[in-house]
Amino acid sequence: AQTVTQSQPEMSVQEAETVTLSCTYDTSESDYYLFWYKQPPSRQMILVIRQEAYKQQNATENRFSVNFQKAAKSFSLKISDSQLGDAAMYFCAYRSRLQGAQKLVFGQGTRLTINP
Amino acid sequence: DTEVTQTPKHLVMGMTNKKSLKCEQHMGHRAMYWYKQKAKKPPELMFVYSYEKLSINESVPSRFSPECPNSSLLNLHLHALQPEDSALYLCASSQDTIRVDQPQHFGDGTRLSIL
Repeated sequence: AQTVTQSQPEMSVQEAETVTLSCTYDTSESDYYLFWYKQPPSRQMILVIRQEAYKQQNATENRFSVNFQKAAKSFSLKISDSQLGDAAMYFCAYRSRLQGAQKLVFGQGTRLTINP
Repeated sequence: DTEVTQTPKHLVMGMTNKKSLKCEQHMGHRAMYWYKQKAKKPPELMFVYSYEKLSINESVPSRFSPECPNSSLLNLHLHALQPEDSALYLCASSQDTIRVDQPQHFGDGTRLSIL
């Protein structure tokens, strides 16, 4: 079974600075998808960024980028120019590419605080 | 604005009550999901519906009864709940369960409190 580990329960960063959230996972599969979701106090889980394991190029979405290290099974999220609205719980998630795979496997989450 | 709408936002009920949670999406998605989320924890999958048929039940107690009347609507019927069932209940949808590259879209959740 796949597992996802987020080793940082809490992180804080000054507004406008850069922060990196770490995520590692364990799988025997070679093809899969990785996601970062953000959950602000409003409760809605919002997709931040997605990475396909067979693509070597790291995904980027505006101020959000990932450092995907497939051999190390690492998938960290970098937030540049942090904004107050980035404060939230961040979950890393894994999904198998096998047909019929319907589960998202989540990490325990990292609570990010932005200091003004 | 969320594309997955959940009602009610908050629900307080006694252990003998019967209530229902509702989830609606109009994105043409054919897969819908119920998750339970306790405070400071990740969501835990409860049920998956694919093309209006139940495809996964993660050994959820029978006091939770899901229903998918049509492709846009997902209900969760609640009866004789326990205090430990107090949690945030999230609904999500995705294009289908075959296109695994497509992300799940979540609603705002229903905060459920059992007295």
